[in-house]
Amino acid sequence: DAGVTQSPTHLIKTRGQQVTLRCSPKSGHDTVSWYQQALGQGPQFIFQYYEEEERQRGNFPDRFSGHQFPNYSSELNVNALLLGDSALYLCASSKRTSRYEQYFGPGTRLTVT
Amino acid sequence: GENVEQHPSTLSVQEGDSAVIKCTYSDSASNYFPWYKQELGKRPQLIIDIRSNVGEKKDQRIAVTLNKTAKHFSLHITETQPEDSAVYFCAASRGKGAQKLVFGQGTRLTINP
Repeated sequence: DAGVTQSPTHLIKTRGQQVTLRCSPKSGHDTVSWYQQALGQGPQFIFQYYEEEERQRGNFPDRFSGHQFPNYSSELNVNALLLGDSALYLCASSKRTSRYEQYFGPGTRLTVT
Repeated sequence: GENVEQHPSTLSVQEGDSAVIKCTYSDSASNYFPWYKQELGKRPQLIIDIRSNVGEKKDQRIAVTLNKTAKHFSLHITETQPEDSAVYFCAASRGKGAQKLVFGQGTRLTINP
């Protein structure tokens, strides 16, 4: 039973560029949530996708967008990268309507220079 | 807005002793409270959770207690072992099923042999 997977593991980008991160949820799960974890801090909620739609959104600008595919996998896109976007990006997988637990992937470490 | 305060930020205990980490939440509608353990460079791992209809839950050496009136919940680890050393995060959410998690700032727990 595959767990939550994310790609790539690490990424280095330049200010102003765009980036796409990918997440595949745990088998049997239908919901993907994205979190940003700055160094030394707790994860901060970006948004959640369920049934291919954004269901909830945290306090992040429109530069952050996402998508969910019919196979439940998801992408996080960040445009016009800023230095402050450097962080660990985590996705969490869940079965939205019937369970409360969320399981995290290994994350993508994004460095913006 | 929603807020979760966690303390202490660092905790050092002798192997075999108990450790307690406390969190306070602001949103009285919160009904789900998970705890995550994050080792250096790894994903947050769900270790225990509690829903608002229960006051206490235990899993081997780990227990969580919830006081809805005071809006706080605590993680208790007994008979600590070196492998318990990690950063622990509390979180809270509201609504049915897997919803946006609001995280505390984390507690770095060190177990001294």
